[in-house]
Amino acid sequence: SQTIHQWPATLVQPVGSPLSLECTVEGTSNPNLYWYRQAAGRGLQLLFYSVGIGQISSEVPQNLSASRPQDRQFILSSKKLLLSDSGFYLCAWSNGETQYFGPGTRLLVL
Amino acid sequence: GIQVEQSPPDLILQEGANSTLRCNFSDSVNNLQWFHQNPWGQLINLFYIPSGTKQNGRLSATTVATERYSLLYISSSQTTDSGVYFCAVERHNAGNMLTFGGGTRLMVKP
Repeated sequence: SQTIHQWPATLVQPVGSPLSLECTVEGTSNPNLYWYRQAAGRGLQLLFYSVGIGQISSEVPQNLSASRPQDRQFILSSKKLLLSDSGFYLCAWSNGETQYFGPGTRLLVL
Repeated sequence: GIQVEQSPPDLILQEGANSTLRCNFSDSVNNLQWFHQNPWGQLINLFYIPSGTKQNGRLSATTVATERYSLLYISSSQTTDSGVYFCAVERHNAGNMLTFGGGTRLMVKP
């Protein structure tokens, strides 16, 4: 069966520091991969999606970036965090119909 | 872009009661999913239902694509049903990218 992992689970970072969140999927090949952000417990906002290695599309301009160095690995990064980057970050994979979500990373920028 | 509206935004039920959650969307879609987000933040896929009716235990869902709405029915609610319910849609030719509604926050009291 397929599983999706995210780490770290929780992160507290100072403003201006870099960020790297990792997502890996097991049990499937060539999945579509997605990064979402959720603020204040409501409404998920799509940040990035990828249909293959090295193929990244951005939905919202911001100081975040994403990379897909391997088929089942998706990384969310920032060079300098802003206070507004705080939130709950969720990674998801898709088989073309249904999206399945990871456990998420709670990020607090102070 | 496509608009997704969910109602009611908040709902409090006594254990054992039934409820109906609604999702309206502004354009034709080829994918609609219902999710439950538990108090720990995990998003669980409930239904993939672009049209028709499906049932899974105490939960069922109906999507009337021609009228651009979907309903999620919860019968004999339990305290473990508490959390936030999200509807998400993929508009045609959108590469399996989902747009989420604002959610319905459900609290089931014992």
